[in-house]
Amino acid sequence: EAQVTQNPRYLITVTGKKLTVTCSQNMNHEYMSWYRQDPGLGLRQIYYSMNVEVTDKGDVPEGYKVSRKEKRNFPLILESPSPNQTSLYFCASSSYVRGPFYFGEGSWLTVV
Amino acid sequence: RKEVEQDPGPFNVPEGATVAFNCTYSNSASQSFFWYRQDCRKEPKLLMSVYSSGNEDGRFTAQLNRASQYISLLIRDSKLSDSATYLCVVIDNNDMRFGAGTRLTVKP
Repeated sequence: EAQVTQNPRYLITVTGKKLTVTCSQNMNHEYMSWYRQDPGLGLRQIYYSMNVEVTDKGDVPEGYKVSRKEKRNFPLILESPSPNQTSLYFCASSSYVRGPFYFGEGSWLTVV
Repeated sequence: RKEVEQDPGPFNVPEGATVAFNCTYSNSASQSFFWYRQDCRKEPKLLMSVYSSGNEDGRFTAQLNRASQYISLLIRDSKLSDSATYLCVVIDNNDMRFGAGTRLTVKP
């Protein structure tokens, strides 16, 4: 089954404790991206990757890092999480930068 | 001005009604257009692509007007299960831009 898998789905963590949210797709897609969704602000792009070892900033990259060492994986790293990073995070992938895009089920992150 | 704008609604309609959503975009060079559906606390799911000639999928019709820079979604014979938030997505170069979403509630 074609899918985008995120882990963890739910996480409560403390300020400053490094965490990684994994994203994996089994569709051999070149393009992957991360979004956060906050009430009233819609979906905002954090980082995206056009292919292996090619990443770039989206609209809200501050406080996040990503890597793309393999085509299927695109982890999101919060080196020192802060409460304003409490959000719902989505990973998405596409075979083509023009879409369509397929989303993971989302990761609810709470930083206290 | 926001790059992609949608009427946030909410739209509250009875079953069987026809409802239409519009979405305007600011970049005339935008290349691809989609409508996504998002249920509460779930991931967005592709509803349909939007083509220049307009396209239909069952009760859903999508249209693109490049001259006026908007896309539309028409839902005919609304069902209770159509209740969701509908997001328009506009893609130009490497950027995927989302509208804030329009909330639809279909009532018995």
